[in-house]
Amino acid sequence: NAGVMQNPRHLVRRRGQEARLRCSPMKGHSHVYWYRQLPEEGLKFMVYLQKENIIDESGMPKERFSAEFPKEGPSILRIQQVVRGDSAAYFCASSPQGQGSEAFFGQGTRLTVV
Amino acid sequence: AQSVAQPEDQVNVAEGNPLTVKCTYSVSGNPYLFWYVQYPNRGLQFLLKYITGDNLVKGSYGFEAEFNKSQTSFHLKKPSALVSDSALYFCAVRGSMDSSYKLIFGSGTRLLVRP
Repeated sequence: NAGVMQNPRHLVRRRGQEARLRCSPMKGHSHVYWYRQLPEEGLKFMVYLQKENIIDESGMPKERFSAEFPKEGPSILRIQQVVRGDSAAYFCASSPQGQGSEAFFGQGTRLTVV
Repeated sequence: AQSVAQPEDQVNVAEGNPLTVKCTYSVSGNPYLFWYVQYPNRGLQFLLKYITGDNLVKGSYGFEAEFNKSQTSFHLKKPSALVSDSALYFCAVRGSMDSSYKLIFGSGTRLLVRP
């Protein structure tokens, strides 16, 4: 059973471009979470999704950021018109149904905005 | 609102000595508590969790954690530290009364085990 797969591992974008981060959850997992981590800092919750539904996006900036988890295919975190402050590591995690279930993390996508 | 506090930015311990990494939490309802470890340039790896039952839970790599409801704490422990345990440790919580399944993480504690 492959783990959570994120791609790309590294992404460089110029200011004003769009960044698309992909996450394939573990097989059988219906819950996906996105977190942002700045260097030497903790993980900041961004959004929690189930298939085709956004359940909680309380941590996601209202502008330029969006997320989806379609019925088929990976979850996508999209950042439009990137700015230097968007540079960070973005981690995706997935879990099965159940509040007591642990989340499994991908290796992250390191976004650098130049 | 859920929250997690890790009061120590860094914990230093000599190899072979016991270690403790502290975590306190605030949630609605019963807590589901988790510890993760992060090595440089890697994702987070699950160590252990508390759902219900025994207050002392055992996890990977010899780590254990003690749930204390009255003190709302879930400290991570290991009887004998290894240099290879040096990493960033995160405590996380999910509340049973929270309709969202989101996991809230603490700010992390860097563990440095010196030879």
